[in-house]
Amino acid sequence: DAGVTQSPTHLIKTRGQQVTLRCSPKSGHDTVSWYQQALGQGPQFIFQYYEEEERQRGNFPDRFSGHQFPNYSSELNVNALLLGDSALYLCASSLWGASGYTFGSGTRLTVV
Amino acid sequence: QKEVEQDPGPLSVPEGAIVSLNCTYSNSAFQYFMWYRQYSRKGPELLMYTYSSGNKEDGRFTAQVDKSSKYISLFIRDSQPSDSATYLCAMSDETSYDKVIFGPGTSLSVIP
Repeated sequence: DAGVTQSPTHLIKTRGQQVTLRCSPKSGHDTVSWYQQALGQGPQFIFQYYEEEERQRGNFPDRFSGHQFPNYSSELNVNALLLGDSALYLCASSLWGASGYTFGSGTRLTVV
Repeated sequence: QKEVEQDPGPLSVPEGAIVSLNCTYSNSAFQYFMWYRQYSRKGPELLMYTYSSGNKEDGRFTAQVDKSSKYISLFIRDSQPSDSATYLCAMSDETSYDKVIFGPGTSLSVIP
């Protein structure tokens, strides 16, 4: 039973560029949440998708957007990258209405 | 003041010791309390999940919640080198229980 799969594992982008990160949820899960984890910090909630709609959003600018597909997989897009966007981006899947996340291993984004 | 505070450590203990990890929080609306373990280069893994106040035990792990003091703890008995990781406390409220707020994490090393 595959857990949460994220791609790519590492990425280097230049300031001002755009990036797309991908996530496949754990089998049986229908909800995907995205978190940003800066070095030495806890994860910060970006947003959550269920039934292909954004259901909740954290305190992140509109440069951060997402999408969920009919097969429950999800993408996180970040436009106009800033140096401060360098972080580990974590995807977490769950079953809508149930408690507890399953996290992927993350995508390490470095903006230079 | 941050919503969730946690001593970042690092905490170093000998194998077999009892470990106590703690978090304080400021939002009295929090009702769901979690502890996650994160190994280096991995995503967080859910260890314990508690609703409201009280204790919960699972094997060598015990979670305690004191809502009156806005204080939660995780105890690890008979600590093992494999317990060496960063421990993240996390919490959420009734209205948006999936929007989880994480502490910054405590780095734990268990020395053989």
